[in-house]
Order: sequence, then C-alpha cells, then structure tokens
Amino acid sequence: DAKTTQPPSMDCAEGRAANLPCNHSTISGNEYVYWYRQIHSQGPQYIIHGLKNNETNEMASLIITEDRKSSTLILPHATLRDTAVYYCIPNAGNNRKLIWGLGTSLAVNP
Amino acid sequence: DAGVIQSPRHEVTEMGQEVTLRCKPISGHNSLFWYRQTMMRGLELLIYFNNNVPIDDSGMPEDRFSAKMPNASFSTLKIQPSEPRDSAVYFCASSFGNIQYFGAGTRLSVL
Repeated sequence: DAKTTQPPSMDCAEGRAANLPCNHSTISGNEYVYWYRQIHSQGPQYIIHGLKNNETNEMASLIITEDRKSSTLILPHATLRDTAVYYCIPNAGNNRKLIWGLGTSLAVNP
Repeated sequence: DAGVIQSPRHEVTEMGQEVTLRCKPISGHNSLFWYRQTMMRGLELLIYFNNNVPIDDSGMPEDRFSAKMPNASFSTLKIQPSEPRDSAVYFCASSFGNIQYFGAGTRLSVL
C-alpha cells in the first residue's frame, strides 16, 4: 500500500474554499485515492474517491495530478461543520483493508 | 437504513473483567471491520470479515482479543481479561464494495 503525506493541520475561513493536499508518490497503478473525514467524537465518513480523473460529488471535488503522485480535496464553500480530520488513503479496493495515517486536522473559522 | 449500529456507546469496567462490544452492520453489506482508535496510535484495523469469514486478524493485539461473526447481521469483539491499556474508542464498519460505513463507536474505559 502506498504511503501518504498530509499536512498535520490547516485553517480555513467559513465560506471560503478549503484545499487539502495529499502526496502519494508511491501509489500503484491499480490503487484509487479515497478521502474520508472524521468529525470529533464520530466515526469516519466517506467523502469521495478517484483513480485518475477528477471527481465531484455533493460533498467535495477531487483533483488528481496527471502523474497520480498527489491529489487535492476541495471543499468549495467550507462551513463550521466541515471542521474535522481529513484522511487521504490509496487503496486497490476489493474490500482490502484501509491504512489510516494521521490525516489533516482542518479548522474552519467563523 | 439506520446505518451501522454499535452497542454499548460507552463502557466502563474494571481491569480483569470481560468486555463484549457489539455491531450490527448495514443490511446487505458483506464485509465487516473492527477498528481501535487512540490518541497515541490513531485508527488501527483489528480484524475484518468477508461473508462472515475472518480474512485478516493480524491487527488483533493479543490472545485476550477475539472477534466473531455468527451471521451476516451481527458481530462481537470480546476482550478477556481487559486491561487499562485497552481503553480506546472501538469502531465497527461495514461495506459492500469499497466504501466503508462506520458506526458511532464504543468508548471503552478500563479502570
């Protein structure tokens, strides 16, 4: 499984876009990039995933570089409820176990 | 669906006692995962099941920990005897495909 590097913490103003980077330079060709988040005192929550194309859903957008060595999760209009720890996890799928790093603690400020 | 249901939400016990954590996965999901989370070690996978069969238990700390999945709608994680270092939040997750859905967790305190 590929290792990841994420900044330990970030701040964002409410209503602004939050851009969370992740480096996964050792990602394998068959590994997707999954993003989850964990709000304080809750279980982790799936956000989005992608292989090589950019993806968007109702929660966020995922931008993956052409060489697939890094990606950025974008929360277009961050709210206070987006304050959480965000995890970037490369995984080949097929119900294989996820390897959780330390993630990025995002604080959205009023 | 009510999501993944874990019980109890909180458990306080004394060292040496047996602790049983319970999980009801989302109906139709065929994989179930047990995790432990602490400040020091983060989120660790303990064991996971596919179609009720344990696939990887390499994360189970020691023989004091055991997990069962007698049917598709129920799983237990048992600690016997419990120790103070087992204090943590224990999460259960289920999936059908590659997205895991987590329960609210059980906060265990062993005194």
